[in-house]
Amino acid sequence: DTAVSQTPKYLVTQMGNDKSIKCEQNLGHDTMYWYKQDSKKFLKIMFSYNNKELIINETVPNRFSPKSPDKAHLNLHINSLELGDSAVYFCASRTWTEGETQYFGPGTRLLVL
Amino acid sequence: GQQLNQSPQSMFIQEGEDVSMNCTSSSIFNTWLWYKQEPGEGPVLLIALYKAGELTSNGRLTAQFGITRKDSFLNISASIPSDVGIYFCAGQGGSNYKLTFGKGTLLTVNP
Repeated sequence: DTAVSQTPKYLVTQMGNDKSIKCEQNLGHDTMYWYKQDSKKFLKIMFSYNNKELIINETVPNRFSPKSPDKAHLNLHINSLELGDSAVYFCASRTWTEGETQYFGPGTRLLVL
Repeated sequence: GQQLNQSPQSMFIQEGEDVSMNCTSSSIFNTWLWYKQEPGEGPVLLIALYKAGELTSNGRLTAQFGITRKDSFLNISASIPSDVGIYFCAGQGGSNYKLTFGKGTLLTVNP
């Protein structure tokens, strides 16, 4: 029944490591997003893919690289993790028939030590 | 870029009270959305508004898309303890396909 799912839910890692977060949606949506939520709960968009094509790329360090193998999946790879990367990362998806209505996953809580 | 001002930042109310929160934008929006986020979870869509002046209800929740297209409010009537959470407004405007989020309203309901 899960609409937008993310793995892992928690990720604790050392500075300098490389890690990936995965997202899958079973809603048949065309567009997927990655957001970062900081400690003050502010939600900021990072990337968006529409049918495997990158359409939004905010000012995000090059260490962050999204990959969309198909329109149901959007993964986020982070190289050389830094302390400031600690945050909650949310995946979201939408379909063009519902305007900008986006549906969010449960989040991945990343802690960089 | 587009900016959203959401107020109040936090509210502490008694069970049974009505709640009102709002968002204003520096520019015109085409879509207004209201989300609720509970601890440890992702934001859940409550109400979506697509037309200026639109008033939409979802149970005890009512939201309106302002006539000027620069603001929206969310009302919660007869609050209950499970209404606790952070409420976010979000808007989309112009040819910009992305959502801009407000900073959230933290709601606490005292039983």
